Amino acid sequence: TQLLEQSPQFLSIQEGENLTVYCNSSSVFSSLQWYRQEPGEGPVLLVTVVTGGEVKKLKRLTFQFGDARKDSSLHITAAQPGDTGLYLCAGYAVSNYQLIWGAGTKLIIKP
Amino acid sequence: DTGVSQNPRHKITKRGQNVTFRCDPISEHNRLYWYRQTLGQGPEFLTYFQNEAQLEKSRLLSDRFSAERPKGSFSTLEIQRTEQGDSAMYLCASGFRTDTQYFGPGTRLTVL
Repeated sequence: TQLLEQSPQFLSIQEGENLTVYCNSSSVFSSLQWYRQEPGEGPVLLVTVVTGGEVKKLKRLTFQFGDARKDSSLHITAAQPGDTGLYLCAGYAVSNYQLIWGAGTKLIIKP
Repeated sequence: DTGVSQNPRHKITKRGQNVTFRCDPISEHNRLYWYRQTLGQGPEFLTYFQNEAQLEKSRLLSDRFSAERPKGSFSTLEIQRTEQGDSAMYLCASGFRTDTQYFGPGTRLTVL
């Protein structure tokens, strides 16, 4: 069974702090996506990483795909209350053409 | 608005009743997915269409659930004889590729 484990499950920090969220698996993925979801809404795609070791930046968000394409991280610099939400990672497995979802990291940024 | 739309946004029903949800994908997308999400969890795959063909269904999907995409455009998800355990957010997504999906706002189902 393919699993994507996200950590931490919950994170509450003050505005201005930095944080990192992790997404880990024993499976190799051909690509990995990060989504952000607000309460009562559907997930919104933030980024897709494809190449092992790839780093993508989206303003204060930095996404990295592990060299072996089994893990990924999301780093937020100087977090703001608007970053509050559920961050989900999803890995695309070519072995079975499925998108495997993590359970999410609930992030709260306090002003 | 050219994004994925879902209706209704909220549905409250009594146990045993049937409910139907609608998803209108982004118009040029040939792939359409249905997911279920409960609080604190990631989306759980239910079923997938490519054009009008239903290509995959989750083994976890009860036979009370059925989905259609009759003309390869909008899709409907019906739940028959609803149970309290069906209470969840039902999400629809569309795209050209499995690894790039665009989600609608979801339908929140509450079964009393």
